[in-house]
Amino acid sequence: DIQMTQSPASLSVSVGETVTITCRASENIYSNLAWYQQKQGKSPQLLVYAATNLADGVPSRFSGSGSGTQYSLKINSLQSEDFGSYYCQHFWGTPYTFGGGTKLEIK
Amino acid sequence: EVQLQQSGAELVKPGASVKLSCTASGFNIKDTYMHWVKQRPEQGLEWIGRIDPANGNTKYDPKFQGKATITADTSSNTAYLQLSSLTSEDTAVYYCARESYGKGAMDYWGQGTSVTVSS
Repeated sequence: DIQMTQSPASLSVSVGETVTITCRASENIYSNLAWYQQKQGKSPQLLVYAATNLADGVPSRFSGSGSGTQYSLKINSLQSEDFGSYYCQHFWGTPYTFGGGTKLEIK
Repeated sequence: EVQLQQSGAELVKPGASVKLSCTASGFNIKDTYMHWVKQRPEQGLEWIGRIDPANGNTKYDPKFQGKATITADTSSNTAYLQLSSLTSEDTAVYYCARESYGKGAMDYWGQGTSVTVSS
């Protein structure tokens, strides 16, 4: 099974700052990677699919990059509504494992 | 409008089974994969498995084999997750989610069903 290692586990940042979250796969996943945002008590929402494609309605301050085994989610100029948890998930062969998550908190 | 409506919260006794439902509207589940995801309290997301409702084919994470069974009824546009031999480790919120063919991501999610296993 492919393991997804996500970092950092938590991050304390201020509104307006830029943040990068990374995900490393245990083998090449050929850009078959999605990023989700989850707010407390809510369902996850898709942000990015196929490593770099923004989902419908996602603000352009979010961007995804990477290839092979290394992937990143970047959030420019953080807004208050961006705080919550973020997860990566690979889609290269089942099981489609998630990363451990990153909790983004207000400083 | 695409929606996934999940069944209500469950309180079940250890050793029992439970069947959760996820009814889709705004699209035909035969045109998608349907996934189930587990989230324990204050924990991360775990992929359980998926079904292709068009042919009934399923894939599971091996750690859920024997615990979870995913089915679908295309006539009612509903996916199901059955959990058996429940223990406290199964106490969690369970989400259903849609994956459009070829998208490689779950683009719509249900609101989640809370399952509490307690005597």
